[in-house]
Amino acid sequence: DVQLLESGGGSVQPGGSLTLSCVASGFTFDNHAMAWVRQAPGRGLEWVSSISSGTITYYADSMGGRFTISRDTSKGMLFLHLNSLRADDTAIYYCSKPRTNWPFDAFETWGRGTLVTVSS
Amino acid sequence: QSALTQPPSASGSPGQSVTISCTGSDSDIGSYSYVSWFQQLPDKAPKLILFEVNKRPTGVPDRFSGSKSGQTASLTVSGLRAEDEAVYYCCSYARVNNFLFGNGTKVTVL
Repeated sequence: DVQLLESGGGSVQPGGSLTLSCVASGFTFDNHAMAWVRQAPGRGLEWVSSISSGTITYYADSMGGRFTISRDTSKGMLFLHLNSLRADDTAIYYCSKPRTNWPFDAFETWGRGTLVTVSS
Repeated sequence: QSALTQPPSASGSPGQSVTISCTGSDSDIGSYSYVSWFQQLPDKAPKLILFEVNKRPTGVPDRFSGSKSGQTASLTVSGLRAEDEAVYYCCSYARVNNFLFGNGTKVTVL
């Protein structure tokens, strides 16, 4: 079974930083693009970032260049480094695997998410 | 770029059908057939139920179907069941900003 398990969420003050991790299993991680999608409390889904099976990265304009996606294929892990955090970054952050290696294919598999709370 | 537009709510009795619309623009739904739909149960992660407008992943019942016309995509749930009560989101590949989600439609089974 394909599984994704996020970690690294928590409470952080405005302006702070945090790194989220996602451990992937059940598929050949090297061959797949990956993505992060977030959901603010009581709100809808919002695409954050995607990364190809290599190192090509894509970001939602609304993230303002504050986030960095990366991957460690040797460990089967995906990361999202969050900088200059604001209150409106408060959300559950989901790790997701698209259906195919195309980074913009449908989000087929989702983790349970990790909650980031930005508050003073 | 704004989210895709979905009605906030929809409802139907068991056994009936409900259709949810998702309206975008020529920069997304109107130009691409990469529309997907997700079902989100309370306090759960979203689940993919349709991709490429009308294709179902393995295990998704054929009660779920999709279509697209112009800038609007639609999800129809036929033979409504109590377990279909959830929030449904559409998503489209977009020329600008790559992905757009709808704001979600809460489906209530009466």
